[in-house]
Amino acid sequence: DTGVSQDPRHKITKRGQNVTFRCDPISEHNRLYWYRQTLGQGPEFLTYFQNEAQLEKSRLLSDRFSAERPKGSFSTLEIQRTEQGDSAMYLCASSFSPGTGGAGDNEQFFGPGTRLTVL
Amino acid sequence: EDQVTQSPEALRLQEGESSSLNCSYTVSGLRGLFWYRQDPGKGPEFLFTLYSAGEEKEKERLKATLTKKESFLHITAPKPEDSATYLCAAIRTGNQFYFGTGTSLTVIP
Repeated sequence: DTGVSQDPRHKITKRGQNVTFRCDPISEHNRLYWYRQTLGQGPEFLTYFQNEAQLEKSRLLSDRFSAERPKGSFSTLEIQRTEQGDSAMYLCASSFSPGTGGAGDNEQFFGPGTRLTVL
Repeated sequence: EDQVTQSPEALRLQEGESSSLNCSYTVSGLRGLFWYRQDPGKGPEFLFTLYSAGEEKEKERLKATLTKKESFLHITAPKPEDSATYLCAAIRTGNQFYFGTGTSLTVIP
C-alpha cells in the first residue's frame, strides 16, 4: 500500500497522560499536514511541514501539542497532559509541491486517522 | 475572518435525482478550492481542485464549479454508492487549509 498510513488507529488514554501518534506520508511527498476532526465537523488545521521544516502552526494549537518531522519523512504528533477536549480523530495528509503553484500543487492525500479517546 | 460554509448540512436524494451542494467562502488571498469525499471512519478522499472563477472540473457523476464567492458540487443521477459526506476546503496564502463542516449526502435506492 503506497498511501498515507497512521499509527495507531485507535488510542484510549486517561486524562493527564501523554500520547504520541505517527504518520508515514506517501514517499515522494514533501509536505505533511496534521488536522483534528470532531464528529460532525470538518478537519481543523493544526500544523504543516515542508520537508523537515515546520512552516505553520494554527493559533488554536496549544503548547501541549508538538509535532516533528525529523528527517523529512515520517512525522509524530505528541499531546502532553491530555484533556477530555482532546478527544477527536487526528488526521495526517501529505502532498507534493513542485513549487510552481500550478495544477497538482497542494492536492492532499489523507491517511485513515487516529481516533483518540481521553477518559 | 477566513471562513468556509457548506449547505445544506444534510441532503437525502432518490437514486437518479440530481442536485447541487454549495460551498461559500470568505478567505483572503484564496489560492485554491478543494472538494473531498469522506466515508464514515475514514480520512477524506480528494476529488477536485479549482483555482480560478469560471473553472469547472468533472469526474463521473460529479461536476465542480467555482465563482468568486462560492463553489458548487453538482451530482447528476446519483447512485447509493455516492452516499458520503462531501467537504470543501479553501487554501489561502501560507498554505493553511480551511474546511467547511460538510454536507452529508444520502442516496436512497
